Amino acid sequence: GAVVSQHPSWVICKSGTSVKIECRSLDFQATTMFWYRQFPKQSLMLMATSNEGSKATYEQGVEKDKFLINHASLTLSTLTVTSAHPEDSSFYICSARAGRNSGANVLTFGAGSRLTVL
Amino acid sequence: DAKTTQPPSMDCAEGRAANLPCNHSTISGNEYVYWYRQIHSQGPQYIIHGLKNNETNEMASLIITEDRKSSTLILPHATLRDTAVYYCIVRVNTGGFKTIFGAGTRLFVKA
Repeated sequence: GAVVSQHPSWVICKSGTSVKIECRSLDFQATTMFWYRQFPKQSLMLMATSNEGSKATYEQGVEKDKFLINHASLTLSTLTVTSAHPEDSSFYICSARAGRNSGANVLTFGAGSRLTVL
Repeated sequence: DAKTTQPPSMDCAEGRAANLPCNHSTISGNEYVYWYRQIHSQGPQYIIHGLKNNETNEMASLIITEDRKSSTLILPHATLRDTAVYYCIVRVNTGGFKTIFGAGTRLFVKA
């Protein structure tokens, strides 16, 4: 089945530094990937849609200069949290749509990356 | 995408069927019902989806009412590992469209 790999699974960084999270589709090509963030005891919040070879589309209220998204290939999207601060501490999850057959629009999710900013 | 309403939490005894309801009274004709679940500290996992007919796979069954305004996800024999948050999502079945998560139902399976 389709597999999405995220790395790192957890990261701790100092305030003011930047952190990059990678999302890879291992056995399929993904022209579109989605980035979510999730705070404790809350649901997933869509941050942006990552499009291969073009600029990401950000949801309202998400700062594009703060959360840089690059989707340079059909199997890799990266999210960089720039100048991270404690309020950016969260669980970041990526997803991709696998397969064009059967008309299904099923999303496969990565295991998530837990960011803690000190 | 149509809005969905789910109970915030439910309990189920291990080995019994877990029936998770979802209301989607404003669903459009071209919108599908998708179910995902998220086990604590993991990424969500796809369970099942359907348009009009009832669906069954190795994980669960999906029962959609004739008017399509509500549906029920059925886990036939719940285990402790089924404890998770279950999300019912209604959306069109074409690529590129966003998948928006609601609050979901937190299912506790008890021994």
